[in-house]
Amino acid sequence: EVQLVESGGGLVKPGGSLRLSCAASGFTFSGHSLTWVRQAPGKGLEWVSSIGSSGSDIYYTDSVKGRFSISRDHAKNSLYLQMNSLRAEDTAVYYCARGGLYCTSGLCYTGYYGMDVWGQGTPVTVSS
Amino acid sequence: QSVLTQPPSVSGAPGQRVTISCTGSSSNIGGGYDVHWYQQLPGTAPKLLIYGNNNRPSGVPDRFSGSKSGTSASLAVTGLRAEDEADYYCQSYDRSLSGLVFGGGTKLTVL
Repeated sequence: EVQLVESGGGLVKPGGSLRLSCAASGFTFSGHSLTWVRQAPGKGLEWVSSIGSSGSDIYYTDSVKGRFSISRDHAKNSLYLQMNSLRAEDTAVYYCARGGLYCTSGLCYTGYYGMDVWGQGTPVTVSS
Repeated sequence: QSVLTQPPSVSGAPGQRVTISCTGSSSNIGGGYDVHWYQQLPGTAPKLLIYGNNNRPSGVPDRFSGSKSGTSASLAVTGLRAEDEADYYCQSYDRSLSGLVFGGGTKLTVL
């Protein structure tokens, strides 16, 4: 079964750090871009970050640049999101998804097949 | 405020047809970028509903269809059923923002 399972969420104080993980199974991990999407309480979906299949192409939404770092480990079939300098506005459920953003020769686009597999999400609460 | 504009809510009676619009600009939908649609049932993760503007993943009923024209896209749902009650999001790429963008979401209510 194709599956993504997030973990690592929790309660953290403003300015703190958290590392989210996303374990993949049932598909060729190294063959797909991966994306983090978040959803603040009662709000819509927001793209956070994407990483290309090789791990060398990395992209962030402006509000997390310099604070969040996406990475992937092909040996462990896992995706990560290191979140530093957390703010109250980072409070959300964080989802990992297969697919998302692709870039070739400097040109970027949303993948034709969309984000076709999603995890169940992990909640992050930033509060004192 | 989302880059892609969706109506906050739509509603229809069982068996009826509803459409959800997704309006963008020349830097996203109008720039030729694909549009995808996601369905989010209450308390669950989003699920891909339409990819590549008008394609259904395996398992998605043909009651759901997508279209794209100019700077807009639409999701149509025919033969409304109670289980279609959910939030629906469109998604594309925006070259001015250099990132993926979502619509604000539309809550579909089946009366």
